[in-house]
Amino acid sequence: NAGVTQTPKFQVLKTGQSMTLQCAQDMNHNSMYWYRQDPGMGLRLIYYSASEGTTDKGEVPNGYNVSRLNKREFSLRLESAAPSQTSVYFCASSRLVDTQYFGPGTRLTVL
Amino acid sequence: AQSVTQPDIHITVSEGASLELRCNYSYGATPYLFWYVQSPGQGLQLLLKYFSGDTLVQGIKGFEAEFKRSQSSFNLRKPSVHWSDAAEYFCAVGAGERNDMRFGAGTRLTVKP
Repeated sequence: NAGVTQTPKFQVLKTGQSMTLQCAQDMNHNSMYWYRQDPGMGLRLIYYSASEGTTDKGEVPNGYNVSRLNKREFSLRLESAAPSQTSVYFCASSRLVDTQYFGPGTRLTVL
Repeated sequence: AQSVTQPDIHITVSEGASLELRCNYSYGATPYLFWYVQSPGQGLQLLLKYFSGDTLVQGIKGFEAEFKRSQSSFNLRKPSVHWSDAAEYFCAVGAGERNDMRFGAGTRLTVKP
């Protein structure tokens, strides 16, 4: 069981570039989440997906889009990266109301 | 919306000493409460959780936490800290059907030999 996997592990972008962060889970969970982690701020929810084909904004959605491709995969897209989006991004999954399981994270730097 | 406060940004304890990490939450109903641990460069690992029932919950690695409704607290404890416990610890409160989770800012634990 791989749990929650994320690619890439590290990424450096220039301002204005776009990229997609990939996330997949093999635990048959319905719910998936994208968070960003910044020093001194804990984790903040960017987007949430309760099931395939549904997504909902979290606390800090501006500048991001998401796609729930199927039950396993949930991607996060930065259309035009900004330095303020430099952060560590975590994907998580859970059953409906239960423990969230986290991936290893993607460390993104926007220059 | 719910919120979480971890008052201590950084704590240093000696190996073998006891540990208590504080967590206070704000939420109108009974919350779901979690403690996660994060080692440098790693993802978050669940230590323990409280949904209902016994207010003293046991977790992995010898950790426990006590839910105190009257104090809106969910403090994490360990009787004897090991050097491998050095990490960052996050308290989180979950609520609602979408399992909306709010995290505290984290407490970084340093263990002195």
